[in-house]
Formats: sequence, structure tokens, C-alpha cells
Amino acid sequence: GAVVSQHPSRVICKSGTSVKIECRSLDFQATTMFWYRQFPKKSLMLMATSNEGSKATYEQGVEKDKFLINHASLTLSTLTVTSAHPEDSSFYICSAIPGRNYGYTFGSGTRLTVV
Amino acid sequence: AQTVTQSQPEMSVQEAETVTLSCTYDTSENNYYLFWYKQPPSRQMILVIRQEAYKQQNATENRFSVNFQKAAKSFSLKISDSQLGDTAMYFCAFTESNAGNMLTFGGGTRLMVKP
Repeated sequence: GAVVSQHPSRVICKSGTSVKIECRSLDFQATTMFWYRQFPKKSLMLMATSNEGSKATYEQGVEKDKFLINHASLTLSTLTVTSAHPEDSSFYICSAIPGRNYGYTFGSGTRLTVV
Repeated sequence: AQTVTQSQPEMSVQEAETVTLSCTYDTSENNYYLFWYKQPPSRQMILVIRQEAYKQQNATENRFSVNFQKAAKSFSLKISDSQLGDTAMYFCAFTESNAGNMLTFGGGTRLMVKP
């Protein structure tokens, strides 16, 4: 089946540094990638939608200068958390749609801890 | 804006018994898709079942079935013969056919299957 590979699975970084999270579609072309954030014991909140070759669309309240999204190819989308702070610590998940039957595929998630 | 509501934050069931998780949603559209996702402790999102709104027949996947009541905007998940491996967070999700494929999630129900 269609797979989205997300790396890293866990990352710890110091305040003020930047962290890049990658999501790759392994056996399909992901025209669109969705980026979610999930707090402990909470639901997934959509942060932004990235489309290959164009600027990402951010949800209300999400700082686009802090959460930089790049979708330069049909198989790779990246989320960079810039100048990370402890409040950015969270679980980040990407998702794509392999086909036209709305079968969303999710990455395995990245647990970010900012110290 | 569309909303998805899961009114049961936590539920428990004895192994081999049946449990039903509730989900209601709000939309003014006629064409849409509904999903149930499972998130085990690994936090990998796993598709459990999917329902197209234009289909009157309730979707079924082995021990998992839904009760889709379009007029009532209700989409409950029934798990039969519950297994210990069913212990997880369950999220109801919704997307409109013309909403750019964006998934909206409910708040989740934490299900514990007891031996």
C-alpha cells in the first residue's frame, strides 16, 4: 500500500535552533501534503496544506514564518520549525492522499522536544 | 465551517464484547466522506473504515462497522468481538468533496479493552 515516510521520529533541540521534518511519499506522487500538530491526548489540528510547486496554505493562527513548509517535488515535503521554543514541543504528523478515493495516508509522526 | 464531535472522551469494554463509539458532524454539503482512524500508543494513524455519503449501505470491515445516519449527521463505529489490540484513541474525521481534501477530526475517544 501507499506509504508516507516521516523523519525523524524523535528530535530534541535547543531553544533558538531550527529543526527540519521530512515527509516522503514512497510509491506515489503526493501533489498535496497536510501537516498536523497533536498535543498529548488531544486531536490532530491542521497546521497547513502544501502543494507541490506553490506556496503552502496556513490555517488561522499558525505562524508561517515559524513553520516553514517546502514542497519542491511530488515526493517530498518538509516542515522547518524555525527558532524553536519550548512551546513548539509537540507531535507533528504529515498526511497525503495516494489516489482519488480519499484514502489518506499518514506519516509515523515526529515528536519534537525543545529544551 | 464543518465540525466533528465525539461526545465520549473515554470508553472501556471487556474483551470479546461489543462497543459503539459515537460521532456527529455538521455540514451543509451533500457530498462528503467520513472516516474512523485508530491511533494506538505508537501514534501511527491507521484507517479503520471509510464511508462515502452518497452510499446508503453502511461500510463494514471485518469486526468494524458503522451506522451512518445521514439525516441525523451521525456516524458511529461499532467494534465487535473487541480485542486487546483495539486499545487506542479513535478519531472520527470528515472531508467535503470540494474542500481541498482537508480532513477535520473529532476530539477523539480513548478506548480501553480490558482482559
